[in-house]
Amino acid sequence: GAVVSQHPSWVICKSGTSVKIECRSLDFQATTMFWYRQFPKQSLMLMATSNEGSKATYEQGVEKDKFLINHASLTLSTLTVTSAHPEDSSFYICSAGPTAPNTGELFFGEGSRLTVL
Amino acid sequence: QKEVEQDPGPLSVPEGAIVSLNCTYSNSAFQYFMWYRQYSRKGPELLMYTYSSGNKEDGRFTAQVDKSSKYISLFIRDSQPSDSATYLCAMKGSQGNLIFGKGTKLSVKP
Repeated sequence: GAVVSQHPSWVICKSGTSVKIECRSLDFQATTMFWYRQFPKQSLMLMATSNEGSKATYEQGVEKDKFLINHASLTLSTLTVTSAHPEDSSFYICSAGPTAPNTGELFFGEGSRLTVL
Repeated sequence: QKEVEQDPGPLSVPEGAIVSLNCTYSNSAFQYFMWYRQYSRKGPELLMYTYSSGNKEDGRFTAQVDKSSKYISLFIRDSQPSDSATYLCAMKGSQGNLIFGKGTKLSVKP
C-alpha cells in the first residue's frame, strides 16, 4: 500500500513550548491529509482536514490557533501544537490517500506521541 | 446513536481459531468500508477496503458488508498470535475523512 511517513515518532517538551509534527506522503501526491488524535484506549478522533494550498478545516472543539496546520506542498503537511500543555499529551496520527477525499482508502503514518511536562 | 458502533472487547481466542469482528452503523449513505489493524503505540494499518456491499477476501482475512442491515464484518481464519492487536472498522464520511469504531482488542493465545 501507499506509504505515509510521520516525524518525529515521539517528542517530550516543556509546558508552554511549541512542537511541530510532519506528515509526508512518500509515493503519491496528497491534496488532502487528515490529522487525528488518539487518547489511551480510545479510538481515533479527527482533528482537522488539511488541504494543499488552502486553509485547514477544523472539527468542532479543536482550536485552530492552538493546532496550526500547514499543507504547503502535495507531499507534506505539518501540525504545530502551540503553547503545549500537559492535556495536549496524546498520540497524533496523520493519514492520506492517493485518491482522497474521493474514496476512503487512507493510509496512516506511524503516529507521533507527544508528552508535555 | 453513534454513527459507528463496535464492541471494544477484549476478545481472546486460541491460536488457529476463526475470529469474527463486527461493526454496525447508522448512516445509510456510507459507501466505503475499511478495517484497520493497530498494534500498541503504532499507527493504524489498512487491512481491507471494500466499496458497497459484498465480500472481499485477502489471504486469511475476509471482509463482508451488508448494507441492508448496516453491518460489516471481518473474519480472520487460522488466527495467529501475531494477529493480536486492536482492530478498527472505519467508514468514509462526507468530507472524505474516516469515521472509526472504538476498536476491538483481540488476543490470540498460543
